[in-house]
Amino acid sequence: GAGVSQSPSNKVTEKGKDVELRCDPISGHTALYWYRQSLGQGLEFLIYFQGNSAPDKSGLPSDRFSAERTGGSVSTLTIQRTQQEDSAVYLCASSLRTSGRARSGELFFGEGSRLTVL
Amino acid sequence: GQQLNQSPQSMFIQEGEDVSMNCTSSSIFNTWLWYKQDPGEGPVLLIALYKAGELTSNGRLTAQFGITRKDSFLNISASIPSDVGIYFCAGRLTGTASKLTFGTGTRLQVTL
Repeated sequence: GAGVSQSPSNKVTEKGKDVELRCDPISGHTALYWYRQSLGQGLEFLIYFQGNSAPDKSGLPSDRFSAERTGGSVSTLTIQRTQQEDSAVYLCASSLRTSGRARSGELFFGEGSRLTVL
Repeated sequence: GQQLNQSPQSMFIQEGEDVSMNCTSSSIFNTWLWYKQDPGEGPVLLIALYKAGELTSNGRLTAQFGITRKDSFLNISASIPSDVGIYFCAGRLTGTASKLTFGTGTRLQVTL
């Protein structure tokens, strides 16, 4: 597609349930990132993919969080046994590549998935 | 983890005024980016900087990559109501090829 697409745009769930958030990056972008933005806060890095592998998952807050990417394209962020503190907007971004020439590191963001855990 | 100190946290200005915000770090960055986020949307890239001392403009926006590589500023000239939003600086640490570290944001409000 023309831009980064995320779904669902809004998700309300009960505490303890699992949720899956999906990201479809810009076609041809090899790098994919997940960030979390709590209300009124900045962006917190979660995980980064280069192709299907995740060289940096240092931002995942706990083992309840996991992510995968298949076919070098779509990525799914899974949160198990959701807690109220997981409520936030989860933003996905993609870029052409992560190093090398200028402009390769520019991230393009989707509109986010707003997660509310009751 | 690494944090970027962004200031001011918020600004309330009148239409037509110039705006300046900056970002500082204790570490050296090899890339500085400035993003704007409107309510309910993802951040949108405004300006990208890749070399120390680089000064880049995008319409009424001008940003500079500090000589020390530990800071950057963004100026908006002759602000208009649609400039309202949250502005984030973001940087990539030297020696890393992956994540961007984001500042805490500057919330800009413009009155007529």
